[in-house]
Amino acid sequence: DIQMTQSPSSLSASVGDRVTITCRASQGISNYLAWFQQKPGKAPKSLIYAASSLQSGVPSKFSGSGSGTDFTLTISSLQPEDFATYYCQQYNSYPPTFGPGTKVDIK
Amino acid sequence: EVQLVESGGGLVQPGGSLRLSCAASGFTFSSYWMSWVRQAPGKGLEWVANIKQDGSEKYYVDSVKGRFTISRDNAKNSLYLQMNSLRAEDTAVYYCARDKLWTPDYWGQGTLVTVSS
Repeated sequence: DIQMTQSPSSLSASVGDRVTITCRASQGISNYLAWFQQKPGKAPKSLIYAASSLQSGVPSKFSGSGSGTDFTLTISSLQPEDFATYYCQQYNSYPPTFGPGTKVDIK
Repeated sequence: EVQLVESGGGLVQPGGSLRLSCAASGFTFSSYWMSWVRQAPGKGLEWVANIKQDGSEKYYVDSVKGRFTISRDNAKNSLYLQMNSLRAEDTAVYYCARDKLWTPDYWGQGTLVTVSS
C-alpha cells in the first residue's frame, strides 16, 4: 500500500495568515491526489482533486499543487471557518490511502 | 442538491453482523462509482470499499476482505455495506461517498457502528 505522510501534524495560525500543508506519498502517484477538510463532529468535505482542481463550490482561497510524490495545500488567507483538520488522499492505486491529517487551529 | 443519507449503524457484539444503507438523491446514482469510508473514534479516515456504476467491479481494503460486502441497487438509488464477523476494530463512523474521477466529491453525514460486548 502507498503510505501518505503530512506535515506539520498541527499548526496554529491567525486569521488572515497564509497556510501551507505538505503531503508526501511513499511512491509516485502522478497527480492522483485529493484534499479534504473536516470539522469536529462533521463529515469530511472535498476540496481538491487531481492535485490542483477545485471541487465545485470550493472557494479559490484554497489551492493545491504538486505531482509525483510531493504535494501542497495552500489557504491564501485563513478565515475562522477554515479552522479544521485537513487530509490528503492518494487514489493512484488500490487501496486509496489517506494521510494522518493536519489540524489547523487558532493562534 | 446532492444528498447522501446513511442508516443502519448501532451497537453490535463481536462476531455479529450489520447492514448499512445509504440513500442517494439529487443526482443520477447509476452514473457514479460509490464508496464507503470509515473513521474510528479520534482517528483518521480509512477507505473501506467502492463499487462501479453497474456493480460489476468492487474493491476492498484488506482488513475487511471476506467479511464486508458492498452492493448497490440503482433502481432504489441505494448503496449498501453488509458487515459480518465484526470486530472491535471495526468500530467507527461509516461514511457513504459519491466518487468523481475515483475520489469522493460528496459525503454523507455518517452512521456510527460500535462493536462491543
